[in-house]
Amino acid sequence: ELKVEQNPLFLSMQEGKNYTIYCNYSTTSDRLYWYRQDPGKSLESLFVLLSNGAVKQEGRLMASLDTKARLSTLHITAAVHDLSATYFCAVTPLSGIQGAQKLVFGQGTRLTINP
Amino acid sequence: DGGITQSPKYLFRKEGQNVTLSCEQNLNHDAMYWYRQDPGQGLRLIYYSQIVNDFQKGDIAEGYSVSREKKESFPLTVTSAQKNPTAFYLCASSNSYYNEQFFGPGTRLTVL
Repeated sequence: ELKVEQNPLFLSMQEGKNYTIYCNYSTTSDRLYWYRQDPGKSLESLFVLLSNGAVKQEGRLMASLDTKARLSTLHITAAVHDLSATYFCAVTPLSGIQGAQKLVFGQGTRLTINP
Repeated sequence: DGGITQSPKYLFRKEGQNVTLSCEQNLNHDAMYWYRQDPGQGLRLIYYSQIVNDFQKGDIAEGYSVSREKKESFPLTVTSAQKNPTAFYLCASSNSYYNEQFFGPGTRLTVL
């Protein structure tokens, strides 16, 4: 059974600092997704990582995937208050098929950025 | 604008009642999904559907039912058999190849 674990679960940091959120998963997969959720709101897609070594960047956020280590990271550079949210990673089990496939979500990392 | 709509935004259910949550998408996606989120938790898959008239159980399907009569629509019924239905329900759809799932705004269900 595929399990996805994030750490830390809670992160409080100051503006201007750098930090990394880690996402580990238990079985082979080649597709990993990062989402952002603001309080009381739905999920917003941030990144889709489809292969080993994939790296994607958007603004102050950068995500990477190491399928051999079963690890993805979400790196925050020079954090600003607007990045305060809960961040989820999600993994699709490797099945060799296309089409509808379940996503298994991590517990989420609640990020608070203080001025 | 293309997107996913869910209604209602808030729903209150009495004990023993069945309620139906609506999910519509105009993204022309084949696949649709229903997730449940409890406070401070990640999402858990209830049901998903690849094509019209076909759907599969997710990890927590007991007490729920779905239908997929149209590509655009995937309603979820929370039956009286679901003992703890209070949660935030999210509908999603995806394109077939990358399986990047896009989420609707959600329905918050509360049992009175």
